[in-house]
Amino acid sequence: DGGITQSPKYLFRKEGQNVTLSCEQNLNHDAMYWYRQDPGQGLRLIYYSQIVNDFQKGDIAEGYSVSREKKESFPLTVTSAQKNPTAFYLCASLRSSGNTIYFGEGSWLTVV
Amino acid sequence: EDKVVQSPLSLVVHEGDTVTLNCSYEVTNFRSLLWYKQEKKAPTFLFMLTSSGIEKKSGRLSSILDKKELFSILNITATQTGDSAIYLCAGPQGGGSEKLVFGKGTKLTVNP
Repeated sequence: DGGITQSPKYLFRKEGQNVTLSCEQNLNHDAMYWYRQDPGQGLRLIYYSQIVNDFQKGDIAEGYSVSREKKESFPLTVTSAQKNPTAFYLCASLRSSGNTIYFGEGSWLTVV
Repeated sequence: EDKVVQSPLSLVVHEGDTVTLNCSYEVTNFRSLLWYKQEKKAPTFLFMLTSSGIEKKSGRLSSILDKKELFSILNITATQTGDSAIYLCAGPQGGGSEKLVFGKGTKLTVNP
């Protein structure tokens, strides 16, 4: 079945360490997104990419980095520069000219 | 700057009550407005609205769009405890940019 796979689902890291969250889709979608969600809050856009080898900053890109070397993959690195990295991270994709967003199951990152 | 504003941010009701959730938007090259329900993990799709004045219904949920006033509402009648969730409104931006703009969400709590 087509869909978006995020891994890991749960991740614990020590403060000061970089972590990378994986997002893979087999929907042949052009656009991919990373959102951050804090408890009881909505989704805030971190980065998005419309085509391979190109990506744009969202509203809260500081302390994060991404790459888009393949259409199927859009990994997110949470760097040590991110002050409050503990959150729920959602990856999503959108078919070009489409209207429906597809979400992954999310990754819970806890920094201790 | 594109934005989607939801209100109220939080709502507590009793089972059986009817609620109305609001979403106003300013999105460049508006294409559609989406409603999602989020319980524990990834948001689940509720409605996509593209035409003004046409109500979409699914059971006790309904939604309508007013493109002139740049506004949408989500109604839930005879609420149940299972309706407790965060309800998210989003406006995919068209015209070449695929940026997805979400509101902060409305956290609905339905008490027995």
